[in-house]
Amino acid sequence: AQSVAQPEDQVNVAEGNPLTVKCTYSVSGNPYLFWYVQYPNRGLQFLLKYITGDNLVKGSYGFEAEFNKSQTSFHLKKPSALVSDSALYFCAVRVPPFLMGYQKVTFGTGTKLQVIP
Amino acid sequence: GAGVSQSPRYKVAKRGRDVALRCDSISGHVTLYWYRQTLGQGSEVLTYSQSDAQRDKSGRPSGRFSAERPERSVSTLKIQRTEQGDSAVYLCASSFDRVLYTIYFGEGSWLTVV
Repeated sequence: AQSVAQPEDQVNVAEGNPLTVKCTYSVSGNPYLFWYVQYPNRGLQFLLKYITGDNLVKGSYGFEAEFNKSQTSFHLKKPSALVSDSALYFCAVRVPPFLMGYQKVTFGTGTKLQVIP
Repeated sequence: GAGVSQSPRYKVAKRGRDVALRCDSISGHVTLYWYRQTLGQGSEVLTYSQSDAQRDKSGRPSGRFSAERPERSVSTLKIQRTEQGDSAVYLCASSFDRVLYTIYFGEGSWLTVV
């Protein structure tokens, strides 16, 4: 079974400092990994994804994530946090269809990012 | 815009009543999902459906939950005999195909069962 873990319920960071939101995964086969952000009273918005290729993926709003196969991690990073980055962040993994009957997506439980002015 | 839209955005239902939530997905998208999001538990997929020129395939519904897809870009999630534990945000999402394309989410329908 596939799973995604976000070990931190909340991350606090000062504005201007670098931020990291952690994600680890467990799947059989090669994962497709995603990060989504959810602002208050809004749906999930796509940030970035890793399918194949370069392990460092750049996404929206200055975010990036690094795929580390040996550590089965896909941590979300940003060099300089903004107050407007405060939101709920979800890591997700998808398994290729040849391993599953359909395109199943598994989400982590979310990490609340609080950027302090 | 041409995003995924859901209605109603907010719904309060009495326990035991049936509820229907609508999703209008992005034109051309093939796969449509319904997720339930609860605080601290992330999102779980409830059902999915795929369609092509020949047929629809509906995901396996779970108990009181079922989804209908009367049109290619429209889906209705039906919850029968609602329970208080059904209170959650229900997210609809769609994608072009099953493999590489990003899933696009609606803003959610917030259901409160009283």
